[in-house]
Amino acid sequence: DIQMTQSPSTLSASVGDRVTITCRASQSISSWLAWYQQKPGKAPNLLIYKASSLESGVPSRFSGSGSGTEFTLTISSLQPDDFATYYCQQYNSYPWTFGQGTKVEIK
Amino acid sequence: QVQLQESGPGLVKPSGTLSLTCAVSGDSISSSNWWSWVRQPPGKGLEWIGEIYHSGSTNYNPSLKSRVTISIDKSKNQFSLRLTSVTAADTALYYCARRGPVKLTIDYWGQGTLVTVSS
Repeated sequence: DIQMTQSPSTLSASVGDRVTITCRASQSISSWLAWYQQKPGKAPNLLIYKASSLESGVPSRFSGSGSGTEFTLTISSLQPDDFATYYCQQYNSYPWTFGQGTKVEIK
Repeated sequence: QVQLQESGPGLVKPSGTLSLTCAVSGDSISSSNWWSWVRQPPGKGLEWIGEIYHSGSTNYNPSLKSRVTISIDKSKNQFSLRLTSVTAADTALYYCARRGPVKLTIDYWGQGTLVTVSS
């Protein structure tokens, strides 16, 4: 299985901050990486697919980059609605696997 | 608008069988999508269980493969999950989801249903 490792596990930030979350794969996954946002009691919501493609309806302050084994999710200016847990997921090879999550908290 | 809705017992006894159904609306189960199950233990991360195509082709997580069956019912536009020999470690929020042919990753999720394994 491909292991996905996110850092940090928890991030404290203020509204307006630029936030970056890193996801590393245990082997190359090309650009087959997605990012999801999950709020308490809700299903995950797709933000980014194929490493850098923005899902329809997702604010442009979210962006993704990377290829191979290292990827980043950036929120350019953190908004109150963005406090949530973020997961990366690889879909290069079965079984699909997720990172352990990064919780973005209010500082 | 695509909607998925899970249903099934919320409580299953240890060593029993967990059975869930996902009703799909706004899309045909026979379209070019893979239909997936993902679970999340309380307070923990996400685990992909497996998926099925309308042809009946399946892919399963090897960690669960010996206990999992995913099936499809085209007449009811729904698909199902069966997990046998459950233990407390199978207690989780179970999501059904759609993996589309363009983005190739999960783009629609059900709201999730909590299944507790307890006597």
